[in-house]
Amino acid sequence: NAGVTQTPKFRILKIGQSMTLQCTQDMNHNYMYWYRQDPGMGLKLIYYSVGAGITDKGEVPNGYNVSRSTTEDFPLRLELAAPSQTSVYFCASREGQSSYNSPLHFGNGTRLTVT
Amino acid sequence: GDSVTQMEGPVTLSEEACLTINCTYTATGYPSLFWYVQYPGEGLQLLLKATKADDKGSNKGFEATYRKETTSFHLEKGSVQVSDSAVYFCALSAGGAQKLVFGQGTRLTINP
Repeated sequence: NAGVTQTPKFRILKIGQSMTLQCTQDMNHNYMYWYRQDPGMGLKLIYYSVGAGITDKGEVPNGYNVSRSTTEDFPLRLELAAPSQTSVYFCASREGQSSYNSPLHFGNGTRLTVT
Repeated sequence: GDSVTQMEGPVTLSEEACLTINCTYTATGYPSLFWYVQYPGEGLQLLLKATKADDKGSNKGFEATYRKETTSFHLEKGSVQVSDSAVYFCALSAGGAQKLVFGQGTRLTINP
């Protein structure tokens, strides 16, 4: 059981470049989330989705976009990368409403540096 | 809005010492509370949880009690091991999509 898989593990971008962070889960979870982790700041929610075709903004959505065309995949798109987007990005998933307070399952993260 | 505050780190202890990591929260309604642990190079893993007041979550020798009167959920362990070295995050679950709000994390290092 692979769980939540994120690719790539590491990436260096130049300012203004674009990229997509991939996230896929094989647990048939309805809810998926993207967080960024900055040193000493905990995790901040970027976007989330409660099912295929449904996405919504979290706490820090500016500079990012998401899509959810399938239950399994929840890619995060960075357009016009900026140094402020240097961070570690985590994708997570959980079962849906029928399993209230089920735990989040996290991927191992993508470390992104924008220079 | 909802928020979680953890004690500042890093925390360094000797093996077999007692551990307490403080966590307090601010939330509307009745959130569920969680502790997650992050080992080096990995994503976060659920350590324990409590879903209502006075509940005690426990796992791997760690415990935390949901205290509504003091809005706290402190993490405790009676005797830590080197393998407990990690970053610990307190979190609460809020809203219809059960989004987690995290504290800033506390890095724990246990020396042999």
